[in-house]
Amino acid sequence: AQTVTQSQPEMSVQEAETVTLSCTYDTSENNYYLFWYKQPPSRQMILVIRQEAYKQQNATENRFSVNFQKAAKSFSLKISDSQLGDTAMYFCAFMKQGSGYALNFGKGTSLLVTP
Amino acid sequence: NAGVTQTPKFQVLKTGQSMTLQCAQDMNHNSMYWYRQDPGMGLRLIYYSASEGTTDKGEVPNGYNVSRLNKREFSLRLESAAPSQTSVYFCASTKEWTGGIQPQHFGDGTRLSIL
Repeated sequence: AQTVTQSQPEMSVQEAETVTLSCTYDTSENNYYLFWYKQPPSRQMILVIRQEAYKQQNATENRFSVNFQKAAKSFSLKISDSQLGDTAMYFCAFMKQGSGYALNFGKGTSLLVTP
Repeated sequence: NAGVTQTPKFQVLKTGQSMTLQCAQDMNHNSMYWYRQDPGMGLRLIYYSASEGTTDKGEVPNGYNVSRLNKREFSLRLESAAPSQTSVYFCASTKEWTGGIQPQHFGDGTRLSIL
């Protein structure tokens, strides 16, 4: 079974600053997908960014980017120019190719953006 | 554009009662999932259905049953509710495509309390 570890239960950043959330995973698979989901207080699960393991280039989505280190099994999320609306729980998730494409989630990092 | 719809949004049960959580998606997705979210635990997979007519156990299936009624609907049943099943339940769906797998789309969740 794959395990996903988010070692930072809580983080805080000031508005307009940059913050990096850490995620490591354990797998023997070679083909897989990685995701970051955001869960604001509204409880919705919102996709932030995805990364295919076969792609060497790091994914970016506007202010969000990842640092994917396949050999180190590391998948960190960088949020640039943090905004108050970024305050949320952030979950890192692993998806193995095949086997129903279910997600394995980390325990989450609670991010607070302060004025 | 409904996406994934879960009903009900909130429910309170007494120990030993039964109930069914409903989930429907209108995105023509093949695969559907049920997760539970407990404080500090992230989301954990209960059951999934990779395609119409198939269901498989996830990480925490005990005490639950599922039915993939048709391609759109995937229900989760608690036959005899227990306080340990107090949680927030999320339904999700996805599909494969020629470019790989789409990210899972989530419903808004059902908050279930068992007294």
